[in-house]
Amino acid sequence: AQSVTQLDSQVPVFEEAPVELRCNYSSSVSVYLFWYVQYPNQGLQLLLKYLSGSTLVKGINGFEAEFNKSQTSFHLRKPSVHISDTAEYFCAVSRKGGYQKVTFGIGTKLQVIP
Amino acid sequence: DGGITQSPKYLFRKEGQNVTLSCEQNLNHDAMYWYRQDPGQGLRLIYYSQIVNDFQKGDIAEGYSVSREKKESFPLTVTSAQKNPTAFYLCASKAGDSGANVLTFGAGSRLTVL
Repeated sequence: AQSVTQLDSQVPVFEEAPVELRCNYSSSVSVYLFWYVQYPNQGLQLLLKYLSGSTLVKGINGFEAEFNKSQTSFHLRKPSVHISDTAEYFCAVSRKGGYQKVTFGIGTKLQVIP
Repeated sequence: DGGITQSPKYLFRKEGQNVTLSCEQNLNHDAMYWYRQDPGQGLRLIYYSQIVNDFQKGDIAEGYSVSREKKESFPLTVTSAQKNPTAFYLCASKAGDSGANVLTFGAGSRLTVL
């Protein structure tokens, strides 16, 4: 079985400050890792994904994440946030290979303060 | 533009009534999914379908039913047996040849049972 833990349910941050949203996963096999973003009353949009290779993954809107196998983490970072980054962010994991179930974390609400 | 269309966006129903949520995709994706989203609980998988005329229960299938008669369509029925149906419902799809398990989401349907 696989699981995802998002350590912070809400993260307030001032505009133009850096932010890190934490995600830890649990799995006995190799995994794919994802970050999705959800704006109010909308569906989820893929922000970035880690499949293999370089552990530093760059995504849309200036976000990046680093896969750390030894710490089973996949934290999301942005060096300078904007008001438009206010949204809920979901970390997700699936086992590698064909169809595999995607398991989501409970989400982290990022609130950017002007 | 290709994508997933969910309808209706908002739906109000009385207790004891069955309701059907529509999900249509024009991405030519083989697999389709239904998730339920509740505040603070992330996304939970209700049902999924990898091919036409075949579907499997997810983690919280009780009180729900689905059909997959066409590749493009995967409607979800919330039956009167679902004890707490008020939630935000998200439909997603994935290309069959994608080993990365990247999901494309619709904009969601918010069901409120009065």
